[in-house]
Amino acid sequence: LAKTTQPISMDSYEGQEVNITCSHNNIATNDYITWYQQFPSQGPRFIIQGYKTKVTNEVASLFIPADRKSSTLSLPRVSLSDTAVYYCLVGDMEKSSGDKLTFGTGTRLAVRP
Amino acid sequence: NAGVMQNPRHLVRRRGQEARLRCSPMKGHSHVYWYRQLPEEGLKFMVYLQKENIIDESGMPKERFSAEFPKEGPSILRIQQVVRGDSAAYFCASSPPADLKNEQFFGPGTRLTVL
Repeated sequence: LAKTTQPISMDSYEGQEVNITCSHNNIATNDYITWYQQFPSQGPRFIIQGYKTKVTNEVASLFIPADRKSSTLSLPRVSLSDTAVYYCLVGDMEKSSGDKLTFGTGTRLAVRP
Repeated sequence: NAGVMQNPRHLVRRRGQEARLRCSPMKGHSHVYWYRQLPEEGLKFMVYLQKENIIDESGMPKERFSAEFPKEGPSILRIQQVVRGDSAAYFCASSPPADLKNEQFFGPGTRLTVL
């Protein structure tokens, strides 16, 4: 499983765009990139997933450069409720791998008024 | 469609007792995963099960821990003879059988406190 590195914490203000970058230098061909969000005392929640280029949904955008050695989660116009821990994960697309997710320590995002 | 359900939400045990944690996956989901999370840390994979089968238990401690996902009923994570170091939040996740996206849906967790 590819190891990921992301900042331990980030601070932002309401209404700003937040970009959280994750490094995964050893990403393999079959690996996809997934981001989860976790609020205190809750289980993680899937945000977005991608393999290459750009993916956008109603919550966030995910930018993946051509070499796929990093990815950036972009949260537009954050609000106080976006204060959470954000995890970047890489995993094999082959179901036979066991589907387990490897969480790092994540990035603690604090949004201030 | 109800989400992943876990119970109890909080569990207190004394050292040496047994802890049983239950997880009911989302309707239609046949894959269940258990994770453990210590304070200020990320989740650590423990075990991956499908109905009546353990697929991957590489994250399970070799002793005192066991998991099952019977044909009927919830998945159960069992910890025998608990010790203080077992105090943590235990999360269950489920996914459908043919999900190319590999998205997992997490429950609210069970917080185990060992006195």
